[in-house]
Amino acid sequence: DAGITQSPRYKITETGRQVTLMCHQTWSHSYMFWYRQDLGHGLRLIYYSAAADITDKGEVPDGYVVSRSKTENFPLTLESATRSQTSVYFCASSSQGSVSGNTIYFGEGSWLTVV
Amino acid sequence: SQELEQSPQSLIVQEGKNLTINCTSSKTLYGLYWYKQKYGEGLIFLMMLQKGGEEKSHEKITAKLDEKKQQSSLHITASQPSHAGIYLCGAAGGTSYGKLTFGQGTILTVHP
Repeated sequence: DAGITQSPRYKITETGRQVTLMCHQTWSHSYMFWYRQDLGHGLRLIYYSAAADITDKGEVPDGYVVSRSKTENFPLTLESATRSQTSVYFCASSSQGSVSGNTIYFGEGSWLTVV
Repeated sequence: SQELEQSPQSLIVQEGKNLTINCTSSKTLYGLYWYKQKYGEGLIFLMMLQKGGEEKSHEKITAKLDEKKQQSSLHITASQPSHAGIYLCGAAGGTSYGKLTFGQGTILTVHP
């Protein structure tokens, strides 16, 4: 059971470059999320998706782009990376939108450093 | 927007001791999640609470939800070094998307 996988796990890039973080889940979950985790800020929602071709902004969307052409994939793109986007990025998924019995599963994270 | 405050921010205990971590919300809790995270790894789902007064246990970890106080507590009995890590609480808003707002986390160290 592969679950939810992220790639790359570790990435160093230069300011101004485009970077894409991949997220793939094998459960056919409808809902997928991208969070970033920073010291002093905890986990913050960047974007989320309720289904294929449906995406919406979270708390900190600026500088990021997402797409969801297939249910199982939810890539996050930094169009022009900045040092402030150095962070740990977590992808998550859940089967239902309702909070009733809804378990949200997280990937292992992608460590991104922008130099 | 909803904010979650966890206390304490960090905790150091001797193996075998009991401990409690609290998570207080600024708004009504519709669902409260507890996760554990080890450095360099992802978040491991522990349990989810939905109703006021609800209590769930898994091995030596018990979580309770006090809806009136807008608070949840996580209690570990007879702590072990394997319990060490960062404990995060996440609250689901009153929408249908299951988006979570997280607390800052509590760093737990257990000395053998």
